[in-house]
Amino acid sequence: GQNIDQPTEMTATEGAIVQINCTYQTSGFNGLFWYQQHAGEAPTFLSYNVLDGLEEKGRFSSFLSRSKGYSYLLLKELQMKDSASYLCAVSSNDYKLSFGAGTTVTVRA
Amino acid sequence: IAGITQAPTSQILAAGRRMTLRCTQDMRHNAMYWYRQDLGLGLRLIHYSNTAGTTGKGEVPDGYSVSRANTDDFPLTLASAVPSQTSVYFCASSDGQGHTDTQYFGPGTRLTVL
Repeated sequence: GQNIDQPTEMTATEGAIVQINCTYQTSGFNGLFWYQQHAGEAPTFLSYNVLDGLEEKGRFSSFLSRSKGYSYLLLKELQMKDSASYLCAVSSNDYKLSFGAGTTVTVRA
Repeated sequence: IAGITQAPTSQILAAGRRMTLRCTQDMRHNAMYWYRQDLGLGLRLIHYSNTAGTTGKGEVPDGYSVSRANTDDFPLTLASAVPSQTSVYFCASSDGQGHTDTQYFGPGTRLTVL
């Protein structure tokens, strides 16, 4: 079975940095995805990691450690529009995605 | 390019009624998926299709059926709706080319079964 854990909620101030952790235990591993989902909208793709290390994309970075079953999404220079849910998803042996419950990030002025 | 469209946007349905949620993509993606999203549980896969003419069961398939007659359309049918099927339903599609396969989501259908 699949087990993906991430914190339920996080709050941070505009301009700050927030790190969202995700731990996983899955049957097989073919990569880890992060999606952003604003309230009432569809999830949108943010990043994909399949090798260990850090992938940077503008203000957002994603890190993966396969040996530890661990990833994090780093959001820098937070803006009000970053208030959303962030979903960690793992692609397993059959290439299907298993999602965590999501982390709701609230950015305060 | 529209990407993925879903219909209806929202629906209130009496228990026991039959309902089909529609999903159409114009990206010529091979694979399509149906998820339900419930508070605190995240997205759970209901059914999927790796290519036109084939379908498979996901994590929570009971009470749902799908068909994939062509590349673009992937309807989800609730044969006899029950209140526990109240949820937000998302359709997604991907190239279906393997592990770097990014899924793209439709806008969702909010379904309430009374």
